[in-house]
Amino acid sequence: QVQLQESGPGLVKPSQTLSLTCTVSGGTLRNGGYYWSWIRQHPGQGLEWIGYIYYSGSTYYTSSLQSRVTISLDTSKNQFSLKLTSVTAADTALYYCAVGYGSGRLDWGQGTLVTVSS
Amino acid sequence: DIQLTQSPSSLSASVGDRVTITCQASQDIKYSLNWYHQKPGKAPKILIYDASRLETGVPSRFSGRGYGTDFTFTIDSLQPEDIATYYCQQYDNFIVFGGGTRVEI
Repeated sequence: QVQLQESGPGLVKPSQTLSLTCTVSGGTLRNGGYYWSWIRQHPGQGLEWIGYIYYSGSTYYTSSLQSRVTISLDTSKNQFSLKLTSVTAADTALYYCAVGYGSGRLDWGQGTLVTVSS
Repeated sequence: DIQLTQSPSSLSASVGDRVTITCQASQDIKYSLNWYHQKPGKAPKILIYDASRLETGVPSRFSGRGYGTDFTFTIDSLQPEDIATYYCQQYDNFIVFGGGTRVEI
């Protein structure tokens, strides 16, 4: 079973770039049947899909974040990454990486809290 | 963009009660709907996929039904360990989540 672990700074200053990495174990990014996702959850709120990437490199992002977000793969390390530019306090959230597979199902990492503050 | 309207936003029920949550899509998503629960401090976990298919290992007291724009999720006999927030998720057009339903006892 694929397992996921998020990592990255827990504190980011306003206007800077949020960068997170998801390390994949028990599976490979090269599996064409999977897609590699980022999802966030604002404190005490619901779930917001950020985007996903296929092994082919094709990426899809939610429209509200499209201008600021990039998701990429590093197959040599079996990792995928999230970059979100020009962050504000509104980007403070619990960030999850997840693997998508048949019928849109998602398996999730444990999440990592990112706070945007000076 | 597809919107998912989930109701109620919260509910309180007793152990053994039947609990039903609804999820309405803003356009036809066929059967492209999944249900998750999220326990406090944990990541969401899939319960139902393709509107009505029970994920392997999930207790049979959980069920789902629906097609098109209207979907329901049911817990047949609520157990203490079912305290969680429940989310619907569509995958017909990218990914969108419903607003969640907090289930309390």
